[in-house]
Amino acid sequence: DIQLTQSPSSLSASVGDRVTITCRASQSIGNYVNWYQQKPGEAPNLLIYGASNLHSGVPSRFSGSGSGTDFTLTISSLQPADFATYSCQQSFSTPFTFGPGTKVDVK
Amino acid sequence: EVQMVQSGAEVKKPGESLRISCKGSGYNFTNYWIGWMRQTPDKGLEWMGIIYPGDSDVKYRPSLQGQVILSVDKSINTAYLQWTSLKASDTGMYYCARRVTTVTTGLWRYFDQWGLGTLVTVSS
Repeated sequence: DIQLTQSPSSLSASVGDRVTITCRASQSIGNYVNWYQQKPGEAPNLLIYGASNLHSGVPSRFSGSGSGTDFTLTISSLQPADFATYSCQQSFSTPFTFGPGTKVDVK
Repeated sequence: EVQMVQSGAEVKKPGESLRISCKGSGYNFTNYWIGWMRQTPDKGLEWMGIIYPGDSDVKYRPSLQGQVILSVDKSINTAYLQWTSLKASDTGMYYCARRVTTVTTGLWRYFDQWGLGTLVTVSS
């Protein structure tokens, strides 16, 4: 199985901050990374697919980049609705594993 | 509106059987794969397997092969996740989700609509 690691595991930030989360794969996976946001008690919501494609309806302050083994999710200006946990997922080969998540909370 | 509606929470004893469900609506049910994920505090989100309602083709996470059964009833737009003998380690929140395949600059596969989850608790 392809393993995904994320850093940091958690971070504290303020509204308006630029936030960057990294996802690293155990082998090259091209651009086959998706990013999800999950709030407590809710199901995950798709933000980004194919490493950099913004899902319909997702605010443009979210962006993704990277290829091969290293990927980044960036929130350009953190908003109150963005305090949540963010997880990457690889869709290169089954099982389509998830990263352990990065929790973004209030500084 | 696309919706994935999951069955309610379950409390079971080890060794018991269980089937939970996921009903898709608002789209052509047979044209999209449905994935099942488990979430636990220890292991986070785990991809369990995926089923194609059109022909019931199934792909399992290798470590779960033989431990769970994915099935579908096209006539009622419902997918199922089933256990024949539950273990305490099966405790967790289970999500179903519709998988979309988009071909643009690549073959992108992602879960765009998720159910709210079914909490399964296995305890003696």
